[in-house]
Amino acid sequence: DTAVSQTPKYLVTQMGNDKSIKCEQNLGHDTMYWYKQDSKKFLKIMFSYNNKELIINETVPNRFSPKSPDKAHLNLHINSLELGDSAVYFCASSQGGVGFSYEQYFGPGTRLTVT
Amino acid sequence: GQNIDQPTEMTATEGAIVQINCTYQTSGFNGLFWYQQHAGEAPTFLSYNVLDGLEEKGRFSSFLSRSKGYSYLLLKELQMKDSASYLCAVRGGNDYKLSFGAGTTVTVRA
Repeated sequence: DTAVSQTPKYLVTQMGNDKSIKCEQNLGHDTMYWYKQDSKKFLKIMFSYNNKELIINETVPNRFSPKSPDKAHLNLHINSLELGDSAVYFCASSQGGVGFSYEQYFGPGTRLTVT
Repeated sequence: GQNIDQPTEMTATEGAIVQINCTYQTSGFNGLFWYQQHAGEAPTFLSYNVLDGLEEKGRFSSFLSRSKGYSYLLLKELQMKDSASYLCAVRGGNDYKLSFGAGTTVTVRA
């Protein structure tokens, strides 16, 4: 019954490692997003895909690479992890493209801790 | 760029009313959203305003004035479970991205 799911929920890793976070939605939505929420609770958009096409690509380090194998999945791969990457990463999805008024449904988040 | 301001914290008593204000300065405007986020959980959608006026949904109402760049979320008959962070988010006009404020942490006391 989970609408937007993410794995893993917690991720603890060392600097310099490469890690991936997976996201899946079973809502039939066309658009998916990755957000980063830092310790100050700011939620910032990183990427958005509409029907597997990248439509929002914020100014994030190119160590972050999203991949959308199909419109139900959006994964996030992070290379050479740094301390500043520690945050909660949320996946979200919405019906229609980014120009529509539809609300976004968020996954449970992945708490990434880089040591 | 987008600039969205909301108070950091508010405290209220169970059964009372609380109003959370949000002011914004954005490049264009295509709607304002309110989300609720409990500690350690995902944000969940509460309301959407794109035209001026009040939208009511049960105990929660949201108001928008586009000319003033202002919105508020009104929580009535507060319950303990309403203790959470409330996020104001604005969709800009040029790129339709959703920009979030830092959130207002509401604490409901018995």
